[in-house]
Amino acid sequence: GQQVMQIPQYQHVQEGEDFTTYCNSSTTLSNIQWYKQRPGGHPVFLIQLVKSGEVKKQKRLTFQFGEAKKNSSLHITATQTTDVGTYFCAGPGGSYDKVIFGPGTSLSVIP
Amino acid sequence: EPEVTQTPSHQVTQMGQEVILRCVPISNHLYFYWYRQILGQKVEFLVSFYNNEISEKSEIFDDQFSVERPDGSNFTLKIRSTKLEDSAMYFCASSPTYTGELFFGEGSRLTVL
Repeated sequence: GQQVMQIPQYQHVQEGEDFTTYCNSSTTLSNIQWYKQRPGGHPVFLIQLVKSGEVKKQKRLTFQFGEAKKNSSLHITATQTTDVGTYFCAGPGGSYDKVIFGPGTSLSVIP
Repeated sequence: EPEVTQTPSHQVTQMGQEVILRCVPISNHLYFYWYRQILGQKVEFLVSFYNNEISEKSEIFDDQFSVERPDGSNFTLKIRSTKLEDSAMYFCASSPTYTGELFFGEGSRLTVL
């Protein structure tokens, strides 16, 4: 079945450093979504990318969807302590009625 | 801002007991989901629900699990005979559109002793 992988599993950065997490799917995705889950919280939607090669920015966050629509990345510039949490990519799992989450990248920011 | 609400926030139960987890999705949403997350692990898809029926379910969602939308607002997940390995956080989510953004509730933590 379809698999969604993310690397790294954990990332510890000094405040102010940049951070990137990478997402790879075993199959082509019609779209990819990104979610953030704060410690003890629930996943919160960040963005959805649909087009091949699409790049979207939200303040210090840059999201990219690969040309082949099988990979994506999230880059955070100049991390802050408020960026702490786990970042998940998610995509349709073979049907639109199932959204499969990657295993997530847990980000720690050292002040 | 409308939100998905879930009850209870935490339930402790004995192995073999039945548990019902409740969710009130956002009112104009049409697609409903249950996910579970074992502590520190990935968010696992359980089931999706549309037009008053299950549209997709995972391997985890076996005969011990069922979902209902009994009154047009609540969306429930029932586990008939709980096992130790059912201990997890269960998240309800809803979406206004096919393939759209998922709005998650705050979750129900289930502890099976």
